[in-house]
Amino acid sequence: IQLTQSPSFLSASVGDRVTITCRASQGISSNLAWYQQKPGTAPNLLIYGASTLQSGVPSRFSGSGSGTEFTLTISSLQPEDFATYYCQQLNSYPSSFGQGTKLEIK
Amino acid sequence: QVQLHESGPGLVRPSETLSLTCSVSGASISSHYWSWIRQPPGKGLEWIGYVFYSGSTNYNPSLKSRVTMSVDTSKSQFSLIVTSVTTADTAVYYCARNSGPLGLDHWGQGTLVSVSS
Repeated sequence: IQLTQSPSFLSASVGDRVTITCRASQGISSNLAWYQQKPGTAPNLLIYGASTLQSGVPSRFSGSGSGTEFTLTISSLQPEDFATYYCQQLNSYPSSFGQGTKLEIK
Repeated sequence: QVQLHESGPGLVRPSETLSLTCSVSGASISSHYWSWIRQPPGKGLEWIGYVFYSGSTNYNPSLKSRVTMSVDTSKSQFSLIVTSVTTADTAVYYCARNSGPLGLDHWGQGTLVSVSS
């Protein structure tokens, strides 16, 4: 299953609301996770089941979608949110990741 | 808390075998699936596969012919072997706990493996 994220690069300011999209090449129900990765560190699980926030993740992060189209929204960007974001499908194995969206400071 | 730690050689010669181990603490290795993921320098994440303590595995088709994963429950470790490596296998290799539809919820810090003569 191929996952396509858009955009690949996103420039935004602190306080902005941003949305990242992940599209699957076939239906994956709600079996999608989102990760945040900062340079030099391992990815960190933000959301699973398309919309369930992992414990400890700030509530400004939210996820939605099912089937083939999913979104990750950050309601009000904080300085620590500038990172690369990946989606991953967990509906069937082999699993797969999107190509990533790099969120940069404008 | 759950902790994972990768270990293994940082340099492997082309055509040789890459071997990594992930040590798990804070969780029962027999109760979860465990995955390996890699990330070439400056690129995205690639799922390599998962292993269960019973020996059940699932591998990325792009690597399937060269990859083997196994679990050593006595040491609370799981391992990755990649044979016949090329420079394209140069990457940071991560181990992670695979909680199925709940995602990869705990990761090691990653280890860089360079393939070079």
